[in-house]
Amino acid sequence: QQQVKQSPQSLIVQKGGISIINCAYENTAFDYFPWYQQFPGKGPALLIAIRPDVSEKKEGRFTISFNKSAKQFSLHIMDSQPGDSATYFCAAMITGNTPLVFGKGTRLSVIA
Amino acid sequence: NAGVMQNPRHLVRRRGQEARLRCSPMKGHSHVYWYRQLPEEGLKFMVYLQKENIIDESGMPKERFSAEFPKEGPSILRIQQVVRGDSAAYFCASSPAHKETQYFGPGTRLLVL
Repeated sequence: QQQVKQSPQSLIVQKGGISIINCAYENTAFDYFPWYQQFPGKGPALLIAIRPDVSEKKEGRFTISFNKSAKQFSLHIMDSQPGDSATYFCAAMITGNTPLVFGKGTRLSVIA
Repeated sequence: NAGVMQNPRHLVRRRGQEARLRCSPMKGHSHVYWYRQLPEEGLKFMVYLQKENIIDESGMPKERFSAEFPKEGPSILRIQQVVRGDSAAYFCASSPAHKETQYFGPGTRLLVL
């Protein structure tokens, strides 16, 4: 049973465009939703995270939108750059020291 | 403050051998998590440990896999009698107590021939 579904699997965006990655979760007990960025051969690095008490969080060019009733959240990358080309993972967890449940990832390619 | 350290970064084993993967958490972090990543897949939770205790091993196969986090030294993920299906990237993450953020190491890429 996949608890966090992520789409699309891959994404190609023009430089300067907006990249949008979507995730949906099933477990309503989840209350912490991070996004991780992973470059080839590297470990995942935390990008931005949100809790369900807010509908949006922005950090620089990265924005998370959260829809609690729909059990969905998304990552928007504004003004996408070639250096943003990486695999992005959404995840969810229950607050406290518990494991992360990951989506399958989105491979983003930003082309000039 | 050094990040999460894992070694070796790459490990090649023949079928039937043992693999030992090490993880040193960030300074001040008492919680360690191990995840496995198969090609083109997300990360799957394996085991969660605190010093000298296994808290949750629900994601770890019952056979051949074991983990420990001793009072002194790194956390160890041990795979006995490896099979080709064990080939994957194994990531360790650490967090402080009562904090959600998990910081990942660079991973160990295990190849079983």
